[in-house]
Amino acid sequence: GNSVTQMEGPVTLSEEAFLTINCTYTATGYPSLFWYVQYPGEGLQLLLKATKADDKGSNKGFEATYRKETTSFHLEKGSVQVSDSAVYFCALIATGNQFYFGTGTSLTVIP
Amino acid sequence: EAGVAQSPRYKIIEKRQSVAFWCNPISGHATLYWYQQILGQGPKLLIQFQNNGVVDDSQLPKDRFSAERLKGVDSTLKIQPAKLEDSAVYLCASLGGPTFSGELFFGEGSRLTVL
Repeated sequence: GNSVTQMEGPVTLSEEAFLTINCTYTATGYPSLFWYVQYPGEGLQLLLKATKADDKGSNKGFEATYRKETTSFHLEKGSVQVSDSAVYFCALIATGNQFYFGTGTSLTVIP
Repeated sequence: EAGVAQSPRYKIIEKRQSVAFWCNPISGHATLYWYQQILGQGPKLLIQFQNNGVVDDSQLPKDRFSAERLKGVDSTLKIQPAKLEDSAVYLCASLGGPTFSGELFFGEGSRLTVL
């Protein structure tokens, strides 16, 4: 079956620290992979995506590389800001346009 | 372009009462989803529509939940009767872009509190 597993939170970092949020997946076939972000009081929005193996998605200083050999799509940012405080969800899209989401990782960045 | 619209944003009801949520997706988006998001968890799919047909409702508690998308545009999700465990945010999303690589566009959600 299809599933997404992401690292447990919450994560608390100081401003300018390096961020990694781990995400691994199980899927039949070759899904597209996504990171969605939910800022406080807002709906989920797409942060970045990758549609095939070795693709790197990037946006707002965040990056994630689609690693087929390790079935991973880890989210990274070199220097986090207070405004990055949010909940981050890893997701995949499978056959039939069905999306599978991880449980979310809450990030708090302190000044 | 206008985003996914949902209403109401907040609703408080007592258990055994009924509630309805409305969603208007982005114009032209054929695929619409309703998700339930309980605090601290990821979105859980309730139902997926393609135009006005149901693609997947395997996780919809059909004894109390119902959803429709009569004209293939806006959609309504109903809960009757509500239980305490239905307290959650109900998210509507529509799918844009090519198949298998498209992007989900979410509304702001409808937060339900059942007392």
